[in-house]
Amino acid sequence: DIQMTQSPSFVSASIGDRVTISCRASQDISNWLAWYQQKPGKAPKLLIYGASNLQSEVPSRFSGSESGRDFTLTISSLQPDDFATYYCQQAYTFPFTFGPGTTVDI
Amino acid sequence: QVQLVESGGGLVKPGGSLRLSCATSGFTFSDHYMSWIRQAPGKGLEWLAYISGGSTYIKYSDSLKGRFTISRDNAKYSVYLQMNSLTAEDTSVYYCARGRFGANYFDFWGQGALVTVSS
Repeated sequence: DIQMTQSPSFVSASIGDRVTISCRASQDISNWLAWYQQKPGKAPKLLIYGASNLQSEVPSRFSGSESGRDFTLTISSLQPDDFATYYCQQAYTFPFTFGPGTTVDI
Repeated sequence: QVQLVESGGGLVKPGGSLRLSCATSGFTFSDHYMSWIRQAPGKGLEWLAYISGGSTYIKYSDSLKGRFTISRDNAKYSVYLQMNSLTAEDTSVYYCARGRFGANYFDFWGQGALVTVSS
């Protein structure tokens, strides 16, 4: 199985901060990478697919990039609605696997 | 608008069975593959099973050891997860999720169904 790791596990940030979250795949997944946002008690929400494509209706302050097996989610200017846990997911092959998550908190 | 609504969760004894349902609306159901994903309390996300639009292609996580079965009824716009031989480790919120066109991303999710396995 492809293992996904994320760093950091926890980010303490303030409104307006630029936040970056990293995700690494244990093997090549090309650009088959998605990012999800999850708030407590809610289902995850797709933010980014194909490593860098913004899902419909997702604010443009979210962006994704890739470099080999390393992927990055960037929030350019943190807003109150962005405090949540973020997961990466590889969509390259079965079984689909998720990273352990990064919590963005105040 | 796209909606997915899970049902069938609840409390079940170890060794018992449960069938989850996911009723969908707002899109052409047969055009999309569907998956089940779970999340144990305070833990991360675990993909469980996948079924193609015509039910011709089905895949499972090896961790299920053949205990779970995914199925769908395109006429009812619904997908199901039959869960057998449940253990405490299966206690989780179970989500159904729609596959995005042409790729294995999950673009819409249900609200989740809590399954608690306890004596």
